[in-house]
Amino acid sequence: DAKTTQPPSMDCAEGRAANLPCNHSTISGNEYVYWYRQIHSQGPQYIIHGLKNNETNEMASLIITEDRKSSTLILPPATLRDTAVYYCIVRVSRGRGAQNLVFGQGTRLTINP
Amino acid sequence: GAVVSQHPSRVICKSGTSVKIECRSLDFQATTMFWYRQFPKKSLMLMATSNEGSKATYEQGVEKDKFLINHASLTLSTLTVTSAHPEDSSFYICSASPRDNTSPLHFGNGTRLTVT
Repeated sequence: DAKTTQPPSMDCAEGRAANLPCNHSTISGNEYVYWYRQIHSQGPQYIIHGLKNNETNEMASLIITEDRKSSTLILPPATLRDTAVYYCIVRVSRGRGAQNLVFGQGTRLTINP
Repeated sequence: GAVVSQHPSRVICKSGTSVKIECRSLDFQATTMFWYRQFPKKSLMLMATSNEGSKATYEQGVEKDKFLINHASLTLSTLTVTSAHPEDSSFYICSASPRDNTSPLHFGNGTRLTVT
């Protein structure tokens, strides 16, 4: 089962910052928070990930609370092309080697003109 | 950045035939690749973990004789849907990680399989 909880849907106006929340209250100390998004009929696209500190890249910013039990993905500013399903994922440990991602239901973000 | 190529993007086949889907890591070596399945308006579900040079590990409820996985090299994994039935129609997606437990997984663009 996914270890994260997200709102099923959100709306945001084009040009405004979109703030997508995620709860991961059972996260372990060595587990990272990953964000992906999936545009209709495409594979998931990596956005950003982090462990403790806030992170920023060319796509988005990730704010992780000090207790690490929740995080927020910020898309500033949102464009129509940001309409997608956004997945917040805590990477599950499966021993050595690359680890799979367990997807929850995600948040369907709609950017309105 | 890391690129994963998946082919074909769409395939239509008749019931009873087999379909092979390829997943390639283009600019990195992947000892492990993952195969997911996605139904309309649903999330991705892991089917199996593909390990280079060894047998794949299947998730509970996934028939290994139905979904054959071969990972013969560090850059290629294949999923073969054998004796396809209409209920196998779905969106199949592969992913791979460059190396360690913190590098992001990168995904192919998926294969839309329709079995008639």
